[in-house]
Amino acid sequence: DTAVSQTPKYLVTQMGNDKSIKCEQNLGHDTMYWYKQDSKKFLKIMFSYNNKELIINETVPNRFSPKSPDKAHLNLHINSLELGDSAVYFCASSQDLTGGDYGYTFGSGTRLTVV
Amino acid sequence: KQEVTQIPAALSVPEGENLVLNCSFTDSAIYNLQWFRQDPGKGLTSLLLIQSSQREQTSGRLNASLDKSSGRSTLYIAASQPGDSATYLCAVNPALGSGSNSGYALNFGKGTSLLVTP
Repeated sequence: DTAVSQTPKYLVTQMGNDKSIKCEQNLGHDTMYWYKQDSKKFLKIMFSYNNKELIINETVPNRFSPKSPDKAHLNLHINSLELGDSAVYFCASSQDLTGGDYGYTFGSGTRLTVV
Repeated sequence: KQEVTQIPAALSVPEGENLVLNCSFTDSAIYNLQWFRQDPGKGLTSLLLIQSSQREQTSGRLNASLDKSSGRSTLYIAASQPGDSATYLCAVNPALGSGSNSGYALNFGKGTSLLVTP
């Protein structure tokens, strides 16, 4: 009965590879997000989707492409992985764009290591 | 763009002390503010959500206040316990038309790392 689930939890891959991270929420929320937590533990927004529509696309390399097949899923595909992409990626969801009555719910994160 | 600052960056206290964590933000136009806890290597656990119309929220030993006009929030932890040791993150959700290109998403501070010693 996990609210926001991400897979995989850990991902180790070589430079130049392409990888995907999947996220699903069962809260019935309209809005989903991808955040990146860097080595200094700072959390920064990458993308947000509302009802499958892209709302926010921060200054993120084109190698990162989010896809939302339905409002319960938001996947992140990364092409041509670089060492600097190593980080923890968090998926989150909220009732609506304002955060709604309960704020944001985060997944447990995907630790990506590029070697 | 909304900037969120948390002070102190790190704090170590003996068990049983009451403590206050501070958060400040540069733009008072917010929908809400949310406090999270993050344990090492783990995800974010929501502690308290304060809507822009509210002044404070309480949950158990935690109390969070919000002064939107001055751009400040505090998280008060009563009778701290070793199990409270974690990083505490403050995040604000900018309001529509605030001018931020990161509207509609939480803007995080860098966190306060708390250690409660037995």
